[in-house]
Amino acid sequence: IQLTQSPSPLSASVGDRVTITCQASQDISQSLNWYQQKPGEAPKLLIFDASNLETGVPSTFSGSGSGTHFTFTISRLQPEDFATYYCQQYDTAPYTFGQGTKLDFK
Amino acid sequence: EVRLVESGGGLVRTGGSLRLSCTTSGFSFNTFWMSWIRQAPGKGLEWVANIKRDSTEKYYADSVEGRFTISRDNAKNSVYLQIDGLRADDTAVYYCARGSGSGYFYWGRGTLVTVSS
Repeated sequence: IQLTQSPSPLSASVGDRVTITCQASQDISQSLNWYQQKPGEAPKLLIFDASNLETGVPSTFSGSGSGTHFTFTISRLQPEDFATYYCQQYDTAPYTFGQGTKLDFK
Repeated sequence: EVRLVESGGGLVRTGGSLRLSCTTSGFSFNTFWMSWIRQAPGKGLEWVANIKRDSTEKYYADSVEGRFTISRDNAKNSVYLQIDGLRADDTAVYYCARGSGSGYFYWGRGTLVTVSS
């Protein structure tokens, strides 16, 4: 199953609302996670099962979608949110990641 | 505290082999699937393989099928990745993560594998 993220990259400013989409090549129900990765660090799980916020993750992050189309939104960008974001499907092995969306300063 | 520590990376010649290890602590290892994910320098994440609690199921990415072998030793709380026939495009940081893929909350810090001719 291929996952295609857009846009890539994404330029924004502190306080902006941004949305990243993840398109799956076939129906994956809601078997999708979202991760944040900063340089030199392991990824951090933000959203699981398409729309569930991981414990401790700010409510400014949200996810939605099912089937083949998914969205990830940051409602109000904070300086620490500038990072690379990945979607990942676990509907069918081998599991796959999207190519990533680098969120940088406009 | 949950900890995952990878080891075994290094510089290897094309065609060579390596065995990566991931030693864990802080949780009941034998109750969790375990996975390997890699990231080439400056590139995105690539899911590599996972293994069931009792080793009865294993799955691999198409790109590594037949060259990589995932295994585990529940008595040692460890998961392994045997990599044979190394190629330049296997150069990456290799992470182990807890779980089958339905949400990787715990990750190690990774071990770097560099393949050079």
